[in-house]
Amino acid sequence: QQQVKQSPQSLIVQKGGISIINCAYENTAFDYFPWYQQFPGKGPALLIAIRPDVSEKKEGRFTISFNKSAKQFSLHIMDSQPGDSATYFCAAKEETSGSRLTFGEGTQLTVNP
Amino acid sequence: EAGVAQSPRYKIIEKRQSVAFWCNPISGHATLYWYQQILGQGPKLLIQFQNNGVVDDSQLPKDRFSAERLKGVDSTLKIQPAKLEDSAVYLCASSLVGGITDTQYFGPGTRLTVL
Repeated sequence: QQQVKQSPQSLIVQKGGISIINCAYENTAFDYFPWYQQFPGKGPALLIAIRPDVSEKKEGRFTISFNKSAKQFSLHIMDSQPGDSATYFCAAKEETSGSRLTFGEGTQLTVNP
Repeated sequence: EAGVAQSPRYKIIEKRQSVAFWCNPISGHATLYWYQQILGQGPKLLIQFQNNGVVDDSQLPKDRFSAERLKGVDSTLKIQPAKLEDSAVYLCASSLVGGITDTQYFGPGTRLTVL
Protein backbone atom coordinates (compact mmCIF):
# COMPACT_ATOMS: atom_id res chain seq x y z
CA GLN A 1 0.00 0.00 0.00
CA GLN A 2 1.51 3.26 -1.13
CA GLN A 3 0.82 5.76 1.61
CA VAL A 4 2.46 8.82 0.04
CA LYS A 5 1.80 9.58 -3.62
CA GLN A 6 4.07 12.06 -5.39
CA SER A 7 3.74 13.85 -8.72
CA PRO A 8 5.00 14.59 -11.27
CA GLN A 9 7.54 11.82 -11.85
CA SER A 10 9.76 14.24 -13.75
CA LEU A 11 9.82 18.00 -14.20
CA ILE A 12 11.76 20.30 -16.51
CA VAL A 13 11.93 23.98 -15.63
CA GLN A 14 13.82 26.92 -17.07
CA LYS A 15 16.31 28.78 -14.93
CA GLY A 16 14.51 31.38 -12.86
CA GLY A 17 11.20 29.56 -13.04
CA ILE A 18 9.11 28.01 -10.26
CA SER A 19 9.26 24.27 -9.65
CA ILE A 20 6.23 22.70 -7.98
CA ILE A 21 6.08 19.12 -6.70
CA ASN A 22 2.95 17.69 -5.12
CA CYS A 23 2.31 14.94 -2.60
CA ALA A 24 -0.82 13.37 -1.17
CA TYR A 25 -1.09 11.07 1.80
CA GLU A 26 -3.70 8.69 3.15
CA ASN A 27 -2.68 8.04 6.74
CA THR A 28 -4.17 10.76 8.95
CA ALA A 29 -1.78 9.73 11.73
CA PHE A 30 1.15 11.22 9.83
CA ASP A 31 2.46 14.11 11.89
CA TYR A 32 5.67 15.30 10.23
CA PHE A 33 6.33 15.96 6.57
CA PRO A 34 9.93 16.41 5.38
CA TRP A 35 11.26 16.89 1.87
CA TYR A 36 14.55 15.33 0.85
CA GLN A 37 16.89 16.22 -2.01
CA GLN A 38 19.06 13.54 -3.61
CA PHE A 39 21.90 14.04 -6.07
CA PRO A 40 23.20 11.12 -8.17
CA GLY A 41 25.49 8.87 -6.17
CA LYS A 42 24.56 10.54 -2.88
CA GLY A 43 22.14 9.76 -0.11
CA PRO A 44 19.02 11.89 0.42
CA ALA A 45 19.52 15.07 2.44
CA LEU A 46 16.85 16.92 4.40
CA LEU A 47 15.75 20.08 2.62
CA ILE A 48 12.82 21.43 4.61
CA ALA A 49 10.07 19.99 6.82
CA ILE A 50 6.67 20.95 8.20
CA ARG A 51 4.24 19.82 10.88
CA PRO A 52 0.49 19.88 10.18
CA ASP A 53 -0.27 22.69 12.63
CA VAL A 54 0.99 25.26 10.09
CA SER A 55 -0.09 25.78 6.49
CA GLU A 56 3.17 27.09 5.08
CA LYS A 57 6.88 27.10 5.82
CA LYS A 58 9.52 29.00 3.91
CA GLU A 59 13.28 28.63 3.96
CA GLY A 60 15.09 30.72 1.38
CA ARG A 61 13.86 29.74 -2.08
CA PHE A 62 12.06 26.64 -0.78
CA THR A 63 8.47 26.70 0.51
CA ILE A 64 6.22 23.92 1.73
CA SER A 65 2.46 24.45 1.43
CA PHE A 66 0.32 22.13 3.56
CA ASN A 67 -3.42 21.42 3.27
CA LYS A 68 -4.48 19.20 6.15
CA SER A 69 -8.12 18.83 5.08
CA ALA A 70 -7.11 17.72 1.58
CA LYS A 71 -4.23 15.60 2.92
CA GLN A 72 -1.89 17.23 0.45
CA PHE A 73 1.37 19.11 0.61
CA SER A 74 3.67 20.60 -1.97
CA LEU A 75 7.18 21.92 -2.44
CA HIS A 76 7.74 25.16 -4.32
CA ILE A 77 11.22 26.09 -5.49
CA MET A 78 11.37 29.76 -6.46
CA ASP A 79 13.95 31.12 -8.89
CA SER A 80 15.01 27.58 -9.81
CA GLN A 81 18.71 27.15 -10.60
CA PRO A 82 20.61 24.48 -12.56
CA GLY A 83 22.19 23.44 -9.25
CA ASP A 84 18.71 22.48 -8.02
CA SER A 85 18.64 19.65 -10.59
CA ALA A 86 18.18 16.55 -8.44
CA THR A 87 15.58 14.04 -7.33
CA TYR A 88 13.16 15.29 -4.69
CA PHE A 89 11.29 13.03 -2.29
CA CYS A 90 8.43 13.94 -0.04
CA ALA A 91 8.08 11.84 3.07
CA ALA A 92 5.93 11.44 6.15
CA LYS A 93 6.30 10.16 9.70
CA GLU A 94 3.83 9.21 12.39
CA GLU A 95 4.61 9.34 16.10
CA THR A 96 3.36 5.81 16.78
CA SER A 97 5.64 4.19 14.20
CA GLY A 98 8.77 5.63 15.79
CA SER A 99 10.99 7.29 13.26
CA ARG A 100 9.97 5.39 10.15
CA LEU A 101 10.01 7.67 7.11
CA THR A 102 7.49 6.74 4.41
CA PHE A 103 8.76 8.18 1.14
CA GLY A 104 7.01 9.16 -2.05
CA GLU A 105 8.28 7.82 -5.36
CA GLY A 106 10.39 10.85 -6.17
CA THR A 107 10.44 13.64 -8.75
CA GLN A 108 13.42 14.12 -11.03
CA LEU A 109 13.86 17.87 -11.49
CA THR A 110 15.91 19.29 -14.34
CA VAL A 111 16.54 23.03 -14.44
CA ASN A 112 17.77 24.16 -17.85
CA PRO A 113 20.22 27.09 -18.03
CA GLU B 1 31.52 16.70 11.46
CA ALA B 2 32.03 13.44 9.57
CA GLY B 3 28.97 12.02 7.86
CA VAL B 4 27.58 8.51 7.71
CA ALA B 5 30.12 6.16 6.16
CA GLN B 6 29.21 3.08 4.14
CA SER B 7 31.19 0.40 2.40
CA PRO B 8 31.53 -0.98 -0.12
CA ARG B 9 30.11 1.60 -2.52
CA TYR B 10 29.40 -0.98 -5.21
CA LYS B 11 28.94 -4.74 -5.18
CA ILE B 12 28.11 -7.20 -7.95
CA ILE B 13 27.19 -10.78 -7.03
CA GLU B 14 25.49 -13.79 -8.55
CA LYS B 15 22.06 -14.80 -7.30
CA ARG B 16 22.10 -17.17 -4.33
CA GLN B 17 25.40 -15.70 -3.13
CA SER B 18 25.67 -13.83 0.15
CA VAL B 19 26.71 -10.22 0.67
CA ALA B 20 27.31 -7.87 3.59
CA PHE B 21 27.25 -4.11 3.89
CA TRP B 22 28.83 -2.00 6.61
CA CYS B 23 27.75 1.31 8.10
CA ASN B 24 29.42 3.70 10.53
CA PRO B 25 26.96 6.33 11.77
CA ILE B 26 27.66 9.88 12.86
CA SER B 27 29.39 9.88 16.23
CA GLY B 28 26.94 10.10 19.12
CA HIS B 29 23.88 9.14 17.09
CA ALA B 30 21.79 6.60 18.98
CA THR B 31 19.48 5.65 16.14
CA LEU B 32 20.57 3.83 13.00
CA TYR B 33 18.44 2.90 9.99
CA TRP B 34 18.86 0.71 6.92
CA TYR B 35 16.79 1.59 3.84
CA GLN B 36 16.43 -0.17 0.50
CA GLN B 37 16.08 2.10 -2.54
CA ILE B 38 15.06 0.34 -5.74
CA LEU B 39 15.77 2.26 -8.93
CA GLY B 40 13.05 4.85 -9.57
CA GLN B 41 11.51 4.51 -6.12
CA GLY B 42 11.77 6.18 -2.76
CA PRO B 43 13.76 4.54 0.03
CA LYS B 44 11.96 1.90 2.09
CA LEU B 45 12.90 1.27 5.73
CA LEU B 46 14.25 -2.22 6.37
CA ILE B 47 15.30 -1.96 10.01
CA GLN B 48 15.78 0.64 12.75
CA PHE B 49 18.10 0.30 15.74
CA GLN B 50 18.02 2.35 18.91
CA ASN B 51 21.48 1.84 20.41
CA ASN B 52 21.87 -1.99 20.35
CA GLY B 53 18.20 -2.86 20.16
CA VAL B 54 15.88 -3.31 17.19
CA VAL B 55 12.98 -0.83 17.19
CA ASP B 56 11.35 -1.65 13.86
CA ASP B 57 12.09 -4.56 11.52
CA SER B 58 8.57 -5.04 10.23
CA GLN B 59 9.61 -4.57 6.59
CA LEU B 60 12.77 -6.69 6.73
CA PRO B 61 12.54 -9.97 4.74
CA LYS B 62 13.81 -12.01 7.64
CA ASP B 63 14.16 -15.24 5.67
CA ARG B 64 17.14 -13.77 3.83
CA PHE B 65 18.06 -10.43 5.42
CA SER B 66 19.73 -9.95 8.78
CA ALA B 67 21.28 -6.99 10.53
CA GLU B 68 23.16 -6.26 13.68
CA ARG B 69 24.53 -3.21 15.41
CA LEU B 70 27.81 -3.77 17.14
CA LYS B 71 28.15 -2.14 20.57
CA GLY B 72 25.59 0.47 19.57
CA VAL B 73 27.85 1.98 16.92
CA ASP B 74 28.67 0.25 13.60
CA SER B 75 26.14 -1.92 11.83
CA THR B 76 26.16 -4.64 9.20
CA LEU B 77 23.34 -5.70 6.90
CA LYS B 78 23.56 -9.16 5.34
CA ILE B 79 21.65 -10.82 2.52
CA GLN B 80 21.84 -14.61 2.24
CA PRO B 81 20.97 -15.87 -0.33
CA ALA B 82 20.54 -12.93 -2.68
CA LYS B 83 17.78 -12.79 -5.29
CA LEU B 84 17.58 -10.76 -8.49
CA GLU B 85 14.98 -8.46 -6.91
CA ASP B 86 17.48 -7.46 -4.21
CA SER B 87 19.28 -5.28 -6.75
CA ALA B 88 19.02 -1.82 -5.21
CA VAL B 89 20.92 0.87 -3.33
CA TYR B 90 21.16 0.14 0.38
CA LEU B 91 21.22 3.34 2.40
CA CYS B 92 22.28 3.69 5.99
CA ALA B 93 21.09 6.68 8.00
CA SER B 94 21.53 7.85 11.57
CA SER B 95 19.84 10.34 13.86
CA LEU B 96 20.57 11.71 17.30
CA VAL B 97 17.72 10.23 19.32
CA GLY B 98 15.09 9.01 16.85
CA GLY B 99 12.28 11.44 17.69
CA ILE B 100 9.64 12.46 15.17
CA THR B 101 11.36 15.74 14.19
CA ASP B 102 14.87 14.29 14.48
CA THR B 103 16.81 14.71 11.24
CA GLN B 104 17.99 11.51 9.60
CA TYR B 105 21.39 11.84 7.94
CA PHE B 106 21.99 9.44 5.06
CA GLY B 107 25.19 7.87 3.85
CA PRO B 108 26.06 7.59 0.13
CA GLY B 109 24.70 4.06 -0.10
CA THR B 110 25.92 0.74 -1.45
CA ARG B 111 24.73 -0.12 -4.95
CA LEU B 112 24.08 -3.87 -5.18
CA THR B 113 23.66 -5.63 -8.50
CA VAL B 114 22.51 -9.25 -8.42
CA LEU B 115 23.09 -11.15 -11.67
